[in-house]
Amino acid sequence: SQKIEQNSEALNIQEGKTATLTCNYTNYSPAYLQWYRQDPGRGPVFLLLIRENEKEKRKERLKVTFDTTLKQSLFHITASQPADSATYLCARRNSGNTPLVFGKGTRLSVIA
Amino acid sequence: GAGVSQSPSNKVTEKGKDVELRCDPISGHTALYWYRQSLGQGLEFLIYFQGNSAPDKSGLPSDRFSAERTGGSVSTLTIQRTQQEDSAVYLCASSLPGQRNTEAFFGQGTRLTVV
Repeated sequence: SQKIEQNSEALNIQEGKTATLTCNYTNYSPAYLQWYRQDPGRGPVFLLLIRENEKEKRKERLKVTFDTTLKQSLFHITASQPADSATYLCARRNSGNTPLVFGKGTRLSVIA
Repeated sequence: GAGVSQSPSNKVTEKGKDVELRCDPISGHTALYWYRQSLGQGLEFLIYFQGNSAPDKSGLPSDRFSAERTGGSVSTLTIQRTQQEDSAVYLCASSLPGQRNTEAFFGQGTRLTVV
C-alpha cells in the first residue's frame, strides 16, 4: 500500500536550535509533498509545498527538501522559537484528481 | 466567507442517533475534503469531492457514513446510528480547482462526542 510516514511522534529542542522533521513515503512517487502546521483545537495551516523535481524550497526560517532516491522529505525550522511549538504534518498527493493524504504528524516542542 | 466554515463547532449526541455535520467551503473552491482526527492522532481521509466528478469515498470507515455536496458548494457529512468510536474532530478542507499542487484550506472542525 502507499504509505506516508512521520517517524517521530514528538520532538523536543532548545530555543535557537534547528528542528528537523522527517517524512517518508513508500511504494509510490508522489508528484509533490506539502507541509502543514496544526495548533491545538485548530485546523491545519499550509506552510510549504515541494515538487518531485525540486530539491529544496525555502520560506523565511523554513526549509523543505525532497529526496526521491531516499523517498524522503525533511522539514527544517532554523533559529527555532517557543512559538514554533505545534504539530507538523506532511501530506502527499499523487495526481490532480486524488485526495490529499496526511502523515500522523510530529509534535514539536521548543523549550526556552 | 473568508475561510472554510464548519458547523456546529461542537456536537454531543447519544449513541445510536444520527448526526449531520456541515461544511461551507471557500467560494470558488471546487475540491472539498472531509477528514477525521481522533485525540492525538493524524488526519484520517474520509471522502473527496472534485467538481462534477464522482466523489472518492475510499476513506469512509463504514456504510453508516455518507456525504453529499449540493450545487458544488456546501457539503454535509452524515453519520447514522452513531457509535462511541465515532467520537473525534471532523475537519473539512477546500482547495482551488484544476491544479494538483494547491494548498488545502481547513475549517476549525466539528468536535463530535458520542455518549
